[in-house]
Amino acid sequence: EIVLTQSPATLSLSPGERATLSCRASQSISNYLTWYQQKRGQAPRLLIWDAFNTAPGIPDRFRGYGSGTDFTLTISSLEPEDFAVYYCQCHQGSSSDWPPVITFGGGTKVEIK
Amino acid sequence: QVYLMQSGGGVVKPGRSLRLSCAASGFSFGTYVMYWVRQTPGTGLQWVAVISSDGNNQYYSASVKGRFTISRDNSKNMVYLQLNSLSPEDTAVYYCAKPSGSGLDHWGQGALVTVSS
Repeated sequence: EIVLTQSPATLSLSPGERATLSCRASQSISNYLTWYQQKRGQAPRLLIWDAFNTAPGIPDRFRGYGSGTDFTLTISSLEPEDFAVYYCQCHQGSSSDWPPVITFGGGTKVEIK
Repeated sequence: QVYLMQSGGGVVKPGRSLRLSCAASGFSFGTYVMYWVRQTPGTGLQWVAVISSDGNNQYYSASVKGRFTISRDNSKNMVYLQLNSLSPEDTAVYYCAKPSGSGLDHWGQGALVTVSS
């Protein structure tokens, strides 16, 4: 089973600063990597799919990079509404494989410094 | 507009059962696999179960296999999760979710299941 390790666990930054979040897979997952944002009391919100594709309605300050085992989510200039928890998730194999097992990383909390 | 409206959840004693429901609208429900994902208080996300688009195949995480059952009714655009033999470790917010490619692009609002004596 693929394990996703996110770092750091907590990122303390000020509004306007750049955030860089990491997600590392225990084995190659090609580009089958998704990023979510979750705010307290809400369901996760899809940000980036297949490593670098931005979901509809997501501001362009959110960018995803990487392939294979190492992935990065950057937020170019933090807005107040960006302080939240971010999760990565991988799909083991292609989206047409059965069973379509998914795995989540442990999350990175982006907090106000 | 895609909607996933959940119902069910609540407080239940250890060893008892509960059923969660998820009503889907705004997309061709019968052509998508569907997921249940849970989140324990203060912690991260865990995939629980997935069902094929026709309902004939199901797959479970090791932590729930043999106790939980995922099912669907494509005529009603509904997906269900039957939770049996519940333990305190199953206390979590449970989400149904729709996939898009390799991710989950729409989620239900969540249902809190609390297992406590």
